[in-house]
Amino acid sequence: DIQMTQSPSSLSASVGDRVTITCRASQGISNSLAWYQQKPGKAPKLLLYAASRLESGVPSRFSGSGSGTDYTLSISSLQPEDFATYYCQQFYSTPFTFGPGTKVDIK
Amino acid sequence: QVQLVQFGAEMKKPGASVKVSCKASGYTFTGYYMYWVRQAPGQGLEWMGRINPDSGGTNYAQKFQGRVTMTGDTSISTAYMELSRLRSDDTAVYYCAREAAIVGAPYGMDVWGQGTTVTVSS
Repeated sequence: DIQMTQSPSSLSASVGDRVTITCRASQGISNSLAWYQQKPGKAPKLLLYAASRLESGVPSRFSGSGSGTDYTLSISSLQPEDFATYYCQQFYSTPFTFGPGTKVDIK
Repeated sequence: QVQLVQFGAEMKKPGASVKVSCKASGYTFTGYYMYWVRQAPGQGLEWMGRINPDSGGTNYAQKFQGRVTMTGDTSISTAYMELSRLRSDDTAVYYCAREAAIVGAPYGMDVWGQGTTVTVSS
């Protein structure tokens, strides 16, 4: 199975800050990576796929990049509604494993 | 609109089985894989497996092999996930989610159910 790690596990930031979250796979996954946002008590929401492609309806302040084993999710200017937990997931091979999550909270 | 509807909660005893349902509407049920993901209290997301509702073909995470069965009833556009020999650490919210794919290659889960809480306790 492909193992996914994320860093940091949590971070505190202010509205307007730029935030970057890193996701690393245990082997190359050829950009087969999705990012989700989850708020407490809610189902996850797909933000980006194929490492850098924005899902329809997702604000452009979210962006993704990376290749091989290392990927990043960036939020250019954090908004109040962005405080949540973010997960990466690889779609390179089954089982389609998730990273452990990064919680973004208010500083 | 496209949606997946799940019932709210189940309470089970250790050793029992649970069958969680997920009713799809607003799209062609047989045209998309259905995934199952669980989340234990305060924990992260865990991919359990997927089913092709058209063929009935499944892929299960090794961790659940032998305990999980995913099925679909195309006549009522409903997917099911049955987990047997329940343990206390199976206590979790169980989500169904529709696969998003391009030319057959999955890239994400774009529609999610609201989750079914399964509590395993004696």
